[in-house]
Amino acid sequence: DAKTTQPNSMESNEEEPVHLPCNHSTISGTDYIHWYRQLPSQGPEYVIHGLTSNVNNRMASLAIAEDRKSSTLILHRATLRDAAVYYCIPLGTGNMLTFGGGTRLMVKP
Amino acid sequence: EPEVTQTPSHQVTQMGQEVILRCVPISNHLYFYWYRQILGQKVEFLVSFYNNEISEKSEIFDDQFSVERPDGSNFTLKIRSTKLEDSAMYFCASRMAWDRGQHFGDGTRLSIL
Repeated sequence: DAKTTQPNSMESNEEEPVHLPCNHSTISGTDYIHWYRQLPSQGPEYVIHGLTSNVNNRMASLAIAEDRKSSTLILHRATLRDAAVYYCIPLGTGNMLTFGGGTRLMVKP
Repeated sequence: EPEVTQTPSHQVTQMGQEVILRCVPISNHLYFYWYRQILGQKVEFLVSFYNNEISEKSEIFDDQFSVERPDGSNFTLKIRSTKLEDSAMYFCASRMAWDRGQHFGDGTRLSIL
C-alpha cells in the first residue's frame, strides 16, 4: 500500500476555502486517490476520488499534482458541518481502504 | 440519494453468543465490505465480497467471522462466539464498480458484556 502523509490538524474559518494536502509519493500508476471524511460519531463518508485529472463534485474539488505524488482536497466554502477527520487513501485494484491518521479539520464560526 | 442501511443501530450481546449484523447495500452496487472501528481507534478493514464470494479479508477476519448475501438485497456479518474485544462500531460499505468510491452505512455499535 502507498504511504500517505497528511497534517494532523488544520483550522479554517467558516465560509472560507480550505485546502487539505496529502503526500503519496509511493503511489503506483494505477492507484486512484480517494478522499473520505468521518464526522464525529458517524461512519466514514465518501468525498471524491480521481486518477490523474482534477475532479469536481458537489462536495469538493480534487487537485492532483502532475507527478501524482501529492493531491489537495479543496472545500470551496467551509461550513461548521465540514468539521471532520479527512483521509486521503490511494486505492488500486485491491478492495480495501486503509485509513491512516488523517487531518482533523476544525471550522471556526 | 440512495444509501447503505444497517440494522440494528446498537446490539448488546453476552460474551460467547452469536451475533448477526445486517446491511442493505445500495441496490445497483456490486462490491460489499465490512469494516470495524474500536472506540478511539482507526477504521479497520475486515472483508470484501464480490460475485458471491469473499475477495479479500484481513487478519482480524478469522474463523469466528463469516459473511453472507442470502438474497438480492441483504449482506450480513456473523460473529459465531463473541469476545469482549469484538466490541466496536461495525460499518458496512458498498460500491458500484472497482473504480468508484465506497459508500458507508451509519454503523452498528456492538457491545459485548
